[in-house]
Amino acid sequence: RKEVEQDPGPFNVPEGATVAFNCTYSNSASQSFFWYRQDCRKEPKLLMSVYSSGNEDGRFTAQLNRASQYISLLIRDSKLSDSATYLCVVNGRNAGNMLTFGGGTRLMVKP
Amino acid sequence: GAVVSQHPSWVICKSGTSVKIECRSLDFQATTMFWYRQFPKQSLMLMATSNEGSKATYEQGVEKDKFLINHASLTLSTLTVTSAHPEDSSFYICSASWTGLSKEQYFGPGTRLTVT
Repeated sequence: RKEVEQDPGPFNVPEGATVAFNCTYSNSASQSFFWYRQDCRKEPKLLMSVYSSGNEDGRFTAQLNRASQYISLLIRDSKLSDSATYLCVVNGRNAGNMLTFGGGTRLMVKP
Repeated sequence: GAVVSQHPSWVICKSGTSVKIECRSLDFQATTMFWYRQFPKQSLMLMATSNEGSKATYEQGVEKDKFLINHASLTLSTLTVTSAHPEDSSFYICSASWTGLSKEQYFGPGTRLTVT
């Protein structure tokens, strides 16, 4: 079983739609959680950290469910520019600064 | 935010030659640098973790004699792909972080290596 699992997609949605991605992780001792965004042939860029209480940044909302070991990302009012691959990333306890990446979920927003 | 650069951004080399990729943290001191490899339509795979002044820790399946990592200063790490083969063609990305509460890593723009 992969340490961090995501549905690879692609998710094809129209502009303005709301879309949600889920991610599960296997290491119950994981401490830090992130969503990164990666555009084609580019490096990953941090979208947002995920906090236990849930957090929101504009159109993006992240949730963490430690009991079920899953993380979600909700994107409201999708824009064409949101088209990218979204990576669920986890840092485990005693892992230092090492991150484990999920396989990514590809989002395509269409006009 | 923290800036990490990589050089070169793109390189083509012949089979059997060696290629060196540089990763620099431009505005912070990186206590740890990471090297990843990404094949098309796959996620990032960690190759090795490098702490300044010490030997790199390689992930299982990554040959340390083939992928030489040097982290001589807090702002520079290098990855040398020795005796490159076509199967080494990939997107190599470095990231950097520093000791602290945040576990964020800051990524370089990547180096696309093509071995012919």
